[in-house]
Amino acid sequence: DAEITQSPRHKIIETGRQVTLACHQTWNHNNMFWYRQDLGHGLRLIHYSYGVHDTNKGEVSDGYSVSRSNTEDLPLTLESAASSQTSVYFCASSRWGGTGELFFGEGSRLTVL
Amino acid sequence: DQQVKQNSPSLSVQEGRISILNCDYTNSMFDYFLWYKKYPAEGPTFLISISSIKDKNEDGRFTVFLNKSAKHLSLHIVPSQPGDSAVYFCAASGNTGNQFYFGTGTSLTVIP
Repeated sequence: DAEITQSPRHKIIETGRQVTLACHQTWNHNNMFWYRQDLGHGLRLIHYSYGVHDTNKGEVSDGYSVSRSNTEDLPLTLESAASSQTSVYFCASSRWGGTGELFFGEGSRLTVL
Repeated sequence: DQQVKQNSPSLSVQEGRISILNCDYTNSMFDYFLWYKKYPAEGPTFLISISSIKDKNEDGRFTVFLNKSAKHLSLHIVPSQPGDSAVYFCAASGNTGNQFYFGTGTSLTVIP
């Protein structure tokens, strides 16, 4: 079965360190997204991609970067992690021109100390 | 500014009764709306959607109503079951259907 997987599921890092969260989907979807979930804010869009070599900033992109070198993967990098980036991160994908339904991964819980 | 708002952070309902979850949006360009359900430690899963050309969409126990003039949609669950206890997110997108804006979520508890 096609799926979307995230790794690691849990990560604790020190302030100022770099960390990359992986996202891999096997649906061959063109669109991929990174969201963060925080209490009182719901799901907020960090970055998104509509295809290989395409990346776009979402509403809370500061401190984050992504790259899309193939269809399957959209890694999210925090160059210098801050405590404000402690959150649960969700990757999602969708077909281009489809119903727009997003398929989410199970989430990566990141704690920055 | 939050373009999609869910003003009730939580809701408790007795098993068998109706659950009504509400969502408001501000962007008149939104034309596609979805509801997602999320259990703890899992990713959100798609529940039901509605296009702006409709005012109602039904799928089993779940019905979504859209009032475009009021920029308001609601999710009705009838009858509510304990397994429906979860956080429900409303989401909206424009005519490309490719970028979604989510509300803050409503935590539903169905009491047996």
